[in-house]
Amino acid sequence: EAGVVQSPRYKIIEKKQPVAFWCNPISGHNTLYWYRQNLGQGPELLIRYENEEAVDDSQLPKDRFSAERLKGVDSTLKIQPAELGDSAVYLCASSLDDFSDEQYFGPGTRLTVT
Amino acid sequence: QKEVEQDPGPLSVPEGAIVSLNCTYSNSAFQYFMWYRQYSRKGPELLMYTYSSGNKEDGRFTAQVDKSSKYISLFIRDSQPSDSATYLCAMRGRDDKIIFGKGTRLHILP
Repeated sequence: EAGVVQSPRYKIIEKKQPVAFWCNPISGHNTLYWYRQNLGQGPELLIRYENEEAVDDSQLPKDRFSAERLKGVDSTLKIQPAELGDSAVYLCASSLDDFSDEQYFGPGTRLTVT
Repeated sequence: QKEVEQDPGPLSVPEGAIVSLNCTYSNSAFQYFMWYRQYSRKGPELLMYTYSSGNKEDGRFTAQVDKSSKYISLFIRDSQPSDSATYLCAMRGRDDKIIFGKGTRLHILP
């Protein structure tokens, strides 16, 4: 069974540029999460989807971040414009449903903003 | 005070030793407790989860929860160099939010 797929794995951009990250969850997993992990820190939730509905986006900086999960499968997280402080690893995770404690993480996208 | 506190380490122990990793928490609403392992440049991988106070064992790993003290532990027996990684505790309450600790970097010395 394929795991959570993320692309790109690495991205370097200049500040004020836009960037997008893509995630394909495990087949059949209804719940999808985007996390941000700063160096030396644990992951912090940005947004959680239940199918195509964003059920928790309280930690998403909505002035520059946006996300979508069309058709309740793949998801895209966008930053526009990027700031230096956005440099981090962006992790996507999925679980069978909102009640499952077993989250499966992808390898992450390491973003460097210069 | 952060909701979840975890010593970042690094923690270095010789191969074969018993490793003890710990987290404390302040939110008594946390009900589900998890331990993740994260290798360098990889995503976290779920090791164990438990709902209740007491011990849960899985191979060389034992997760311990003490809700009265708001303290959880992960023990690794017969530690191997391949156990070298960052270990993250995580907790979930009734609001379904999962809060992660900072992670403890563990080095097993051959």
